[in-house]
Amino acid sequence: GAVVSQHPSWVICKSGTSVKIECRSLDFQATTMFWYRQFPKQSLMLMATSNEGSKATYEQGVEKDKFLINHASLTLSTLTVTSAHPEDSSFYICSAVTGANVLTFGAGSRLTVL
Amino acid sequence: SQKIEQNSEALNIQEGKTATLTCNYTNYSPAYLQWYRQDPGRGPVFLLLIRENEKEKRKERLKVTFDTTLKQSLFHITASQPADSATYLCALDHSGGGADGLTFGKGTHLIIQP
Repeated sequence: GAVVSQHPSWVICKSGTSVKIECRSLDFQATTMFWYRQFPKQSLMLMATSNEGSKATYEQGVEKDKFLINHASLTLSTLTVTSAHPEDSSFYICSAVTGANVLTFGAGSRLTVL
Repeated sequence: SQKIEQNSEALNIQEGKTATLTCNYTNYSPAYLQWYRQDPGRGPVFLLLIRENEKEKRKERLKVTFDTTLKQSLFHITASQPADSATYLCALDHSGGGADGLTFGKGTHLIIQP
């Protein structure tokens, strides 16, 4: 079946630095990918929709300059958390549509900002 | 406002019994509803999708019902096993189509005790 690969699975960084998370679709092309954030015991919150070859669409309240999304190819979308702060510590998950309205998720990336 | 409610408390079930999880929603008219499984530190995995005109859907030991009058979906696992222990998320389509319109509940943590 379709696989979405996410890297890194966990990352620790210092406050003020930037972190890049990659999301790759393996053996299929994804013109659209989605980025979610999940806090402990909370639901998945859609941050943005990543569109290949065009600008990402951000959900209300998500700072586009803080969370940079690049979808340069049909198999890769990246999320860069710029000038990360402790409140950005969270579980970030990407996904792609792999069936009729069905999402396949990556394994997630745990970000800890010190 | 729109709400998706899943029992936030952990559900403890004896191995071999049927586990039943509930997803209630308000102020939605979803075209379909999905259930996902999420293990700790991992991304969700798609299980089942049920459309508004379907009353019931089955897949192996899983059964989902969808009552648009009660605005409720029930998710059943029969002959439950310890390996079924995980958090189960329901997701509603609120955009009329497209996975970008999915909104997730907080999930119910299911524990199957041997």
